[in-house]
Amino acid sequence: DTGVSQDPRHKITKRGQNVTFRCDPISEHNRLYWYRQTLGQGPEFLTYFQNEAQLEKSRLLSDRFSAERPKGSFSTLEIQRTEQGDSAMYLCASSRDTKGAYGELFFGEGSRLTVL
Amino acid sequence: LAKITQPISMDSYEGQEVNITCSHNNIATNDYITWYQQFPSQGPRFIIQGYKTKVTNEVASLFIPADRKSSTLSLPRVSLSDTAVYYCLVGAMGGGATNKLIFGTGTLLAVQP
Repeated sequence: DTGVSQDPRHKITKRGQNVTFRCDPISEHNRLYWYRQTLGQGPEFLTYFQNEAQLEKSRLLSDRFSAERPKGSFSTLEIQRTEQGDSAMYLCASSRDTKGAYGELFFGEGSRLTVL
Repeated sequence: LAKITQPISMDSYEGQEVNITCSHNNIATNDYITWYQQFPSQGPRFIIQGYKTKVTNEVASLFIPADRKSSTLSLPRVSLSDTAVYYCLVGAMGGGATNKLIFGTGTLLAVQP
């Protein structure tokens, strides 16, 4: 257990439905990341928060995707009008604020999404 | 952004030393190199991080040549429980850097008895 928790661990939904994932990072970590991983592939960067500010967004994050981190604590990732291509593991990670090096990313166990 | 490639798979036997390479030809000046281990249905776990030359911790060593266009993760005396996918991650934070941390393609290490 890394201390980063994600909920739900598994989600099965029908195409067109909205889904929301939650990530609770390690409490003293001000950096939070979302990645997406499909079977047999490495994690792909989606977005990054420093405290409550969303500082980076990948082009992979279409307008159907939105992420928030109110008050710089937990974060949510919402996918609207899901498509079958959204089926993947959604990983959340957190880290301390370190100068230069990005330090160690602590990953949660992931939320697996299956879109039927 | 750095394009990062790794061998798809490697085989080894228990007790052997394993060296896994990662190619990152477009690495930027501020980028660090980190290696992660991932088991099925789990998130990646940190192994080691470095910027240049050699770094060693209790589980692995990381070798980075002077041009920093590649790196090698060295696992001494592997065991069956080291069977996993290994990823290198390249990127930097702050100081105007991109903040995007890019994973390599991953190497599946299979350790046999």
